[in-house]
Parts: sequence; C-alpha cells; structure tokens
Amino acid sequence: QQQVKQSPQSLIVQKGGISIINCAYENTAFDYFPWYQQFPGKGPALLIAIRPDVSEKKEGRFTISFNKSAKQFSLHIMDSQPGDSATYFCAAMSPLMNRDDKIIFGKGTRLHILP
Amino acid sequence: DSGVTQTPKHLITATGQRVTLRCSPRSGDLSVYWYQQSLDQGLQFLIQYYNGEERAKGNILERFSAQQFPDLHSELNLSSLELGDSALYFCASSRGNYYEQYFGPGTRLTVT
Repeated sequence: QQQVKQSPQSLIVQKGGISIINCAYENTAFDYFPWYQQFPGKGPALLIAIRPDVSEKKEGRFTISFNKSAKQFSLHIMDSQPGDSATYFCAAMSPLMNRDDKIIFGKGTRLHILP
Repeated sequence: DSGVTQTPKHLITATGQRVTLRCSPRSGDLSVYWYQQSLDQGLQFLIQYYNGEERAKGNILERFSAQQFPDLHSELNLSSLELGDSALYFCASSRGNYYEQYFGPGTRLTVT
C-alpha cells in the first residue's frame, strides 16, 4: 500500500518558536494534501490544506510548503503557543474512485510547546 | 464542534459479537467516510459513501460493512469482533468527494 511518511514522531518547541512537521508521499495521483490537528479525546480537525498547483499556502500562523518534484510537503507553525500542543496528521488524497490508496494519513506527530 | 455526530461514544463488547456504529453528517454534506484509529496503525481509511452509494474502499475488513441511508446518515457494522478491532472509529463528512472532511468525535470500541 502507498504510504505517507511523516516526521518527526514527536517534537518539542519553545513558546514563540517555529514548529516544522514534514511529510513525503509516493503516489503522484494524490491531489489534495490536508493537515489535521487532534487533541486528546477529540476527532481530528481540519487545519489547512493545499493542492499541488501551488507551492505555499498560509492561514494565520499556519503555513503549508509544497514541493511537487520532491513529493514532499510540510507544516510550519509560526509563533508556536502552548495551545498548539496536539497531535498533527498530514494526509494525501486522490480523486480516483475505488482505489485502496485514495486517502492515506501519516502516522502523526505529537507536538509539545513549552511555556 | 464539527457538526458531525457519532453514537455511541463508548462501546464495550466481547469477542465474536457484532456492533453497529452510527454517524450523522453535517447538514448538506453528501459524503461520509469511516476511519479506524489505533495506536500502532494510526488513522486508517475504511470506506466512503457518497449520496447513498459506495464510492471508495480502503483497508476495510470483510467482517466490516457500512451503508448510507436516504437521510444520509451512515452505519458501520462490525461483526465477529476480535481483540484487535479495539480502536477509535471516526466518521467524517464532506460536501462532495473527499475535500474538506470534518470529523466526528469518534466511538471508542473495546473488545474484551
């Protein structure tokens, strides 16, 4: 099965610092790349997403950088805050129907922001 | 609050049993997705329904099945349960096909 490799598994960042989480995918049919934030006991919440026709998307303190040729994308959290402490998942999605690898999630990154 | 509801919140059952998990999508959303989240496997896509029809299958076992009803709510049926089926099961919904999925709070299934 196609994979989405996410790194690091865990990350500790000082308050005010920049948190960076990376993902790499294999299947070039993927055309939608969202990031989800999950707090303990809650469902994943859509944070920000990008299509492969742009190299960067910014929403507030959150930025996705996308490198189509390298098949990599990353989430940058600027001015990280203790409230950002959560598990972050990247995902890759394909519009093609009836594929086993239509939707693939990374294994997640547990982010802890030190106060 | 995403607008997606799931019931029950917790479910404890024995091996070999069958359970049904229920999901109501956000108002206006036609697609429903089911996911399994476990510590070792992460978030795994199981199946997608769009306006009542199966649209895509992921890592769904043959012991599992789902359906989407005319009112667009969906049910995930898990049968012949094994210890390894213990996990969080999430439902998500979207307006169309897979973009901008909104997740429900999940059902925690414990098989003893």
